[in-house]
Amino acid sequence: EPEVTQTPSHQVTQMGQEVILRCVPISNHLYFYWYRQILGQKVEFLVSFYNNEISEKSEIFDDQFSVERPDGSNFTLKIRSTKLEDSAMYFCASSEQGFGEQFFGPGTRLTVL
Amino acid sequence: EDKVVQSPLSLVVHEGDTVTLNCSYEVTNFRSLLWYKQEKKAPTFLFMLTSSGIEKKSGRLSSILDKKELFSILNITATQTGDSAVYLCAVGSDRGAQKLVFGQGTRLTINP
Repeated sequence: EPEVTQTPSHQVTQMGQEVILRCVPISNHLYFYWYRQILGQKVEFLVSFYNNEISEKSEIFDDQFSVERPDGSNFTLKIRSTKLEDSAMYFCASSEQGFGEQFFGPGTRLTVL
Repeated sequence: EDKVVQSPLSLVVHEGDTVTLNCSYEVTNFRSLLWYKQEKKAPTFLFMLTSSGIEKKSGRLSSILDKKELFSILNITATQTGDSAVYLCAVGSDRGAQKLVFGQGTRLTINP
């Protein structure tokens, strides 16, 4: 069964460093998303992406964040200068249609020291 | 602001029991409600509901949506230890690419 994959599974970085989290969505899906979950808290929407542009973003998704689809398969989330409060599990998701069910990847646990 | 509230936050039952998990929501331009199961990491999709009163069923799990009263329930019958997980409710609104707003989840523990 097709699935969303994410790498790395765990990333440790120093405050102020740039990180890139990578995702490979399900191949025939057209809509891509990033969510995050701080330990013990709700899953929070960050950004949605369709047709090579951002469709919607949350207040969390400030100038330090960016997304890119560099080729036909990868979807990346970049955090330019990480802060301690960026420590969280980051989930990538994809859907075939804009209003269809979203399928989540296994997540990348980001730890900022 | 869109809001999703789940209850109870935590539930412990014995194997074989039936459980009902609740999800209420307030969202502008409601489009759909989704249920996910989260065991260790990724939320795993269970159901998507868009119409009131139509039950969706998959094995021992079923769910129904009430768009008038703005809530949904997830039922699990004959529970097994493998059903132990956090169950997440999420709501999507009527926008181009659907942002999901999640509830805080219900942690379900099934004791043998």
